[in-house]
Amino acid sequence: QKEVEQDPGPLSVPEGAIVSLNCTYSNSAFQYFMWYRQYSRKGPELLMYTYSSGNKEDGRFTAQVDKSSKYISLFIRDSQPSDSATYLCAMTGTASKLTFGTGTRLQVTL
Amino acid sequence: DADVTQTPRNRITKTGKRIMLECSQTKGHDRMYWYRQDPGLGLQLIYYSFDVKDINKGEISDGYSVSRQAQAKFSLSLESAIPNQTALYFCATSDSERERNEQFFGPGTRLTVL
Repeated sequence: QKEVEQDPGPLSVPEGAIVSLNCTYSNSAFQYFMWYRQYSRKGPELLMYTYSSGNKEDGRFTAQVDKSSKYISLFIRDSQPSDSATYLCAMTGTASKLTFGTGTRLQVTL
Repeated sequence: DADVTQTPRNRITKTGKRIMLECSQTKGHDRMYWYRQDPGLGLQLIYYSFDVKDINKGEISDGYSVSRQAQAKFSLSLESAIPNQTALYFCATSDSERERNEQFFGPGTRLTVL
Protein backbone atom coordinates (compact mmCIF):
# COMPACT_ATOMS: atom_id res chain seq x y z
CA GLN A 1 0.00 0.00 0.00
CA LYS A 2 1.27 3.45 -0.91
CA GLU A 3 1.86 6.02 1.83
CA VAL A 4 -0.26 8.53 -0.10
CA GLU A 5 -3.28 7.60 -2.21
CA GLN A 6 -4.82 9.93 -4.76
CA ASP A 7 -7.49 9.19 -7.36
CA PRO A 8 -5.92 9.77 -10.79
CA GLY A 9 -9.18 10.90 -12.42
CA PRO A 10 -9.67 12.35 -14.93
CA LEU A 11 -12.22 14.61 -13.31
CA SER A 12 -14.30 16.68 -15.74
CA VAL A 13 -16.47 19.54 -14.48
CA PRO A 14 -18.28 22.47 -16.12
CA GLU A 15 -16.99 25.99 -15.68
CA GLY A 16 -18.19 27.53 -12.43
CA ALA A 17 -18.47 24.22 -10.55
CA ILE A 18 -16.95 23.56 -7.15
CA VAL A 19 -14.17 21.00 -7.41
CA SER A 20 -13.07 18.70 -4.60
CA LEU A 21 -9.71 16.94 -4.86
CA ASN A 22 -8.61 14.52 -2.14
CA CYS A 23 -5.75 12.44 -0.79
CA THR A 24 -5.51 9.90 1.97
CA TYR A 25 -2.31 8.95 3.74
CA SER A 26 -1.07 6.40 6.22
CA ASN A 27 1.94 8.01 7.94
CA SER A 28 0.85 9.79 11.12
CA ALA A 29 4.21 11.63 11.23
CA PHE A 30 3.21 13.89 8.34
CA GLN A 31 2.71 17.46 9.52
CA TYR A 32 2.97 19.64 6.43
CA PHE A 33 0.54 19.17 3.59
CA MET A 34 0.87 20.75 0.18
CA TRP A 35 -0.88 20.96 -3.12
CA TYR A 36 0.98 21.35 -6.37
CA ARG A 37 -0.53 22.22 -9.74
CA GLN A 38 1.06 20.89 -12.91
CA TYR A 39 0.07 22.11 -16.33
CA SER A 40 0.73 19.86 -19.31
CA ARG A 41 4.44 19.71 -20.23
CA LYS A 42 5.41 21.90 -17.25
CA GLY A 43 6.95 21.34 -13.84
CA PRO A 44 4.76 21.16 -10.72
CA GLU A 45 4.29 24.49 -8.96
CA LEU A 46 3.37 24.92 -5.32
CA LEU A 47 -0.23 26.08 -4.94
CA MET A 48 -0.87 25.95 -1.20
CA TYR A 49 0.38 24.42 2.01
CA THR A 50 -1.11 23.81 5.45
CA TYR A 51 0.39 22.79 8.75
CA SER A 52 -1.31 20.13 10.85
CA SER A 53 -5.12 20.09 10.86
CA GLY A 54 -7.44 22.85 9.77
CA ASN A 55 -8.34 24.96 6.78
CA LYS A 56 -6.47 27.51 4.73
CA GLU A 57 -8.03 29.74 2.10
CA ASP A 58 -6.36 31.56 -0.77
CA GLY A 59 -8.73 33.20 -3.22
CA ARG A 60 -10.82 30.50 -4.89
CA PHE A 61 -8.76 27.71 -3.31
CA THR A 62 -9.27 26.12 0.11
CA ALA A 63 -7.02 23.44 1.55
CA GLN A 64 -8.37 21.27 4.33
CA VAL A 65 -6.58 18.73 6.54
CA ASP A 66 -8.19 16.19 8.84
CA LYS A 67 -5.34 14.42 10.63
CA SER A 68 -7.68 12.21 12.64
CA SER A 69 -8.93 10.68 9.38
CA LYS A 70 -5.61 11.08 7.54
CA TYR A 71 -7.47 12.87 4.77
CA ILE A 72 -6.69 16.09 2.94
CA SER A 73 -8.74 18.04 0.42
CA LEU A 74 -8.37 20.91 -2.01
CA PHE A 75 -11.52 22.78 -2.97
CA ILE A 76 -11.68 25.04 -6.00
CA ARG A 77 -14.64 27.43 -6.15
CA ASP A 78 -15.95 28.94 -9.39
CA SER A 79 -13.66 26.70 -11.43
CA GLN A 80 -12.22 28.14 -14.63
CA PRO A 81 -10.84 26.49 -17.78
CA SER A 82 -7.43 27.80 -16.69
CA ASP A 83 -7.69 25.48 -13.65
CA SER A 84 -7.41 22.48 -15.99
CA ALA A 85 -4.24 20.75 -14.83
CA THR A 86 -3.01 17.83 -12.76
CA TYR A 87 -3.10 18.44 -9.01
CA LEU A 88 -0.63 16.60 -6.81
CA CYS A 89 -0.81 16.39 -3.06
CA ALA A 90 2.46 16.19 -1.14
CA MET A 91 3.28 15.82 2.52
CA THR A 92 6.21 15.61 4.91
CA GLY A 93 7.23 15.29 8.51
CA THR A 94 9.79 17.72 9.88
CA ALA A 95 12.33 18.91 7.29
CA SER A 96 12.40 15.59 5.48
CA LYS A 97 11.61 14.42 1.97
CA LEU A 98 8.24 15.07 0.40
CA THR A 99 5.95 12.17 -0.37
CA PHE A 100 3.74 12.83 -3.39
CA GLY A 101 0.41 11.47 -4.51
CA THR A 102 0.17 10.32 -8.10
CA GLY A 103 -1.92 13.35 -9.10
CA THR A 104 -5.52 13.96 -10.21
CA ARG A 105 -6.10 15.27 -13.71
CA LEU A 106 -8.79 17.98 -13.77
CA GLN A 107 -10.55 19.25 -16.88
CA VAL A 108 -12.83 22.30 -16.60
CA THR A 109 -15.06 22.60 -19.64
CA LEU A 110 -16.77 25.68 -21.08
CA ASP B 1 13.55 35.84 -10.80
CA ALA B 2 15.30 33.10 -8.87
CA ASP B 3 14.77 29.98 -10.89
CA VAL B 4 15.44 26.31 -11.57
CA THR B 5 16.56 25.50 -15.10
CA GLN B 6 17.07 22.18 -16.84
CA THR B 7 18.96 21.29 -20.01
CA PRO B 8 18.17 19.84 -22.44
CA ARG B 9 14.38 20.22 -22.51
CA ASN B 10 13.95 17.36 -24.93
CA ARG B 11 16.28 14.53 -25.86
CA ILE B 12 15.96 11.49 -28.05
CA THR B 13 18.68 8.89 -27.77
CA LYS B 14 19.38 5.25 -28.51
CA THR B 15 19.67 2.25 -26.25
CA GLY B 16 23.14 1.96 -24.72
CA LYS B 17 24.08 5.63 -25.01
CA ARG B 18 25.29 7.68 -22.04
CA ILE B 19 23.12 10.68 -21.32
CA MET B 20 23.56 13.60 -18.92
CA LEU B 21 20.75 15.87 -17.78
CA GLU B 22 21.74 19.10 -16.10
CA CYS B 23 20.05 21.26 -13.49
CA SER B 24 21.01 24.73 -12.30
CA GLN B 25 19.32 26.95 -9.74
CA THR B 26 19.60 30.56 -8.68
CA LYS B 27 17.38 30.20 -5.61
CA GLY B 28 20.30 29.78 -3.23
CA HIS B 29 18.81 26.53 -1.94
CA ASP B 30 21.07 23.86 -0.49
CA ARG B 31 18.93 20.80 -1.27
CA MET B 32 18.43 19.40 -4.76
CA TYR B 33 16.48 16.44 -6.11
CA TRP B 34 15.96 14.41 -9.29
CA TYR B 35 12.60 12.82 -10.05
CA ARG B 36 11.13 10.93 -12.93
CA GLN B 37 7.46 11.09 -13.80
CA ASP B 38 5.57 8.39 -15.64
CA PRO B 39 1.84 8.38 -16.41
CA GLY B 40 -0.08 6.85 -13.50
CA LEU B 41 3.01 6.54 -11.29
CA GLY B 42 3.45 10.10 -10.18
CA LEU B 43 6.83 11.48 -9.16
CA GLN B 44 9.47 8.94 -8.22
CA LEU B 45 12.60 10.14 -6.43
CA ILE B 46 15.82 9.04 -8.12
CA TYR B 47 18.53 10.82 -6.08
CA TYR B 48 18.72 13.72 -3.69
CA SER B 49 21.47 15.88 -2.25
CA PHE B 50 21.19 17.87 0.96
CA ASP B 51 24.49 19.67 0.32
CA VAL B 52 27.47 19.47 -2.01
CA LYS B 53 29.08 16.55 -0.15
CA ASP B 54 25.87 14.68 0.58
CA ILE B 55 24.34 12.40 -2.08
CA ASN B 56 21.57 9.90 -1.34
CA LYS B 57 19.72 7.28 -3.32
CA GLY B 58 16.00 7.61 -3.77
CA GLU B 59 13.38 4.99 -4.58
CA ILE B 60 14.60 4.14 -8.08
CA SER B 61 18.34 4.86 -8.36
CA ASP B 62 19.35 1.75 -10.34
CA GLY B 63 20.70 2.71 -13.76
CA TYR B 64 21.26 6.34 -12.72
CA SER B 65 24.10 8.32 -11.17
CA VAL B 66 24.41 11.94 -10.08
CA SER B 67 27.01 14.59 -9.49
CA ARG B 68 26.66 17.73 -7.36
CA GLN B 69 29.26 19.99 -8.92
CA ALA B 70 28.39 23.04 -6.83
CA GLN B 71 25.58 24.17 -4.58
CA ALA B 72 23.76 25.45 -7.65
CA LYS B 73 24.36 22.50 -10.00
CA PHE B 74 23.14 18.92 -9.87
CA SER B 75 23.41 16.60 -12.87
CA LEU B 76 21.84 13.22 -13.56
CA SER B 77 23.49 10.61 -15.76
CA LEU B 78 22.12 7.52 -17.41
CA GLU B 79 25.22 5.38 -17.96
CA SER B 80 23.65 3.10 -20.55
CA ALA B 81 20.16 4.23 -21.48
CA ILE B 82 17.37 1.69 -21.92
CA PRO B 83 13.85 2.18 -23.34
CA ASN B 84 12.09 1.93 -19.96
CA GLN B 85 13.98 5.06 -18.89
CA THR B 86 11.81 6.99 -21.32
CA ALA B 87 10.07 9.49 -19.05
CA LEU B 88 9.77 13.10 -17.96
CA TYR B 89 12.60 14.09 -15.62
CA PHE B 90 12.37 16.91 -13.10
CA CYS B 91 14.93 18.62 -10.96
CA ALA B 92 13.75 20.31 -7.76
CA THR B 93 15.28 22.39 -4.98
CA SER B 94 14.42 23.19 -1.39
CA ASP B 95 15.80 25.20 1.49
CA SER B 96 16.81 23.31 4.63
CA GLU B 97 15.92 26.39 6.69
CA ARG B 98 12.24 25.86 5.90
CA GLU B 99 10.78 23.11 8.06
CA ARG B 100 8.01 22.28 5.62
CA ASN B 101 10.63 21.59 2.94
CA GLU B 102 8.49 22.70 0.00
CA GLN B 103 10.20 21.96 -3.27
CA PHE B 104 10.51 24.11 -6.39
CA PHE B 105 10.62 22.34 -9.71
CA GLY B 106 12.33 22.99 -13.00
CA PRO B 107 10.48 22.79 -16.32
CA GLY B 108 11.44 19.17 -16.96
CA THR B 109 13.37 17.18 -19.56
CA ARG B 110 11.44 14.85 -21.84
CA LEU B 111 13.73 11.88 -22.55
CA THR B 112 12.99 9.26 -25.17
CA VAL B 113 15.18 6.16 -25.42
CA LEU B 114 14.72 4.23 -28.66
